[in-house]
Amino acid sequence: TQLLEQSPQFLSIQEGENLTVYCNSSSVFSSLQWYRQEPGEGPVLLVTVVTGGEVKKLKRLTFQFGDARKDSSLHITAAQPGDTGLYLCAGAAGNKLTFGGGTRVLVKP
Amino acid sequence: DTGVSQDPRHKITKRGQNVTFRCDPISEHNRLYWYRQTLGQGPEFLTYFQNEAQLEKSRLLSDRFSAERPKGSFSTLEIQRTEQGDSAMYLCASTVQGLREKLFFGSGTQLSVL
Repeated sequence: TQLLEQSPQFLSIQEGENLTVYCNSSSVFSSLQWYRQEPGEGPVLLVTVVTGGEVKKLKRLTFQFGDARKDSSLHITAAQPGDTGLYLCAGAAGNKLTFGGGTRVLVKP
Repeated sequence: DTGVSQDPRHKITKRGQNVTFRCDPISEHNRLYWYRQTLGQGPEFLTYFQNEAQLEKSRLLSDRFSAERPKGSFSTLEIQRTEQGDSAMYLCASTVQGLREKLFFGSGTQLSVL
């Protein structure tokens, strides 16, 4: 069974602060995706990382894929209340995605 | 709206009853996935279809669960003899073949079993 562990499970910060969410596994994935989910809605894809060591930036969000393609991180700079949500990492192996347990982020104004 | 559509959005049922959920994927997407998500957890894979063929089922999926995708278009997920442990959000997602493609999720069906 391929497991993805996310840490922390919950993060509460003030507007303007930075935060980092981690996604770790003992398994190698062909690609890793990050999603954000709002309450009562389905997850929405933020980014896909494919190559070991890859770094992708999406405005204030920076995503990194570990060299061994087993772990990833999401860093948010100068967080805003609109960044509040459940952040999910998901590893692709075969034809399905395995999701981590999620990190709930609360950005207080 | 050309997104993934799920119906109903909410379902409340009594233990022992059967329920059926429907998912309409994006029209040109040939892969369709069902996931289950409980409060505070990430989505858990249940099954997926490529066109009308069901290619993989999770070992977590008991024989009370059955999914179909006739004609490779919409899909249904039926739960027979529901139990309280079946209470969860059931998410449907679709994509074009190849998981590096974007996976589009519907808004889910929230099931509550009383």
